[in-house]
Amino acid sequence: AQKVTQAQTEISVVEKEDVTLDCVYETRDTTYYLFWYKQPPSGELVFLIRRNSFDEQNEISGRYSWNFQKSTSSFNFTITASQVVDSAVYFCALSGDSSNTGKLIFGQGTTLQVKP
Amino acid sequence: NAGVTQTPKFRVLKTGQSMTLLCAQDMNHEYMYWYRQDPGMGLRLIHYSVGEGTTAKGEVPDGYNVSRLKKQNFLLGLESAAPSQTSVYFCASRTPQGTYTGELFFGEGSRLTVL
Repeated sequence: AQKVTQAQTEISVVEKEDVTLDCVYETRDTTYYLFWYKQPPSGELVFLIRRNSFDEQNEISGRYSWNFQKSTSSFNFTITASQVVDSAVYFCALSGDSSNTGKLIFGQGTTLQVKP
Repeated sequence: NAGVTQTPKFRVLKTGQSMTLLCAQDMNHEYMYWYRQDPGMGLRLIHYSVGEGTTAKGEVPDGYNVSRLKKQNFLLGLESAAPSQTSVYFCASRTPQGTYTGELFFGEGSRLTVL
């Protein structure tokens, strides 16, 4: 069975601090895809990044960076120099190839509060 | 290009009433999904469809029915609403797995309250 665990329920930081959101996943698929979504207070779900299981190269996009490690089944997300606008719920998600349904399994979400 | 559109955005029901949520996408996506979001539980898959005329159960299907008569539409029905179905419902669509495993495109959500 596939599972995504985001152990951090809520994180509170002060603006300009760096913050890392943890994501651990379980799957038996050899080919799978990992995602991060952001849900701001307005409620919509915003796609941030997708990674496939064959690409462990970490990525940096502006203040965002992602650390994918197959050895520990983790796909962590770091925000550098956080800003108030980063306050949101962040979801990690997993999609495996074996079922051929394309469905995403989501973690419980981490609520990030960035205080000014 | 509207993407994924959900109607209605808000609805209040009494226990036992029925209703249908409509999801429409204009991206010609094969796969469509209905999720519900509850505090502390993330998004859980209710039902999904891998093409016109097909539907399948997800993680939490009880109390819901779905239909996919047209490729662009995916309907979620509650035959007899219960307070436990108070939630925010999200519809999503994507291209088929393997063609280009892109992200899910989500609608804006529908907030349902059952009294």
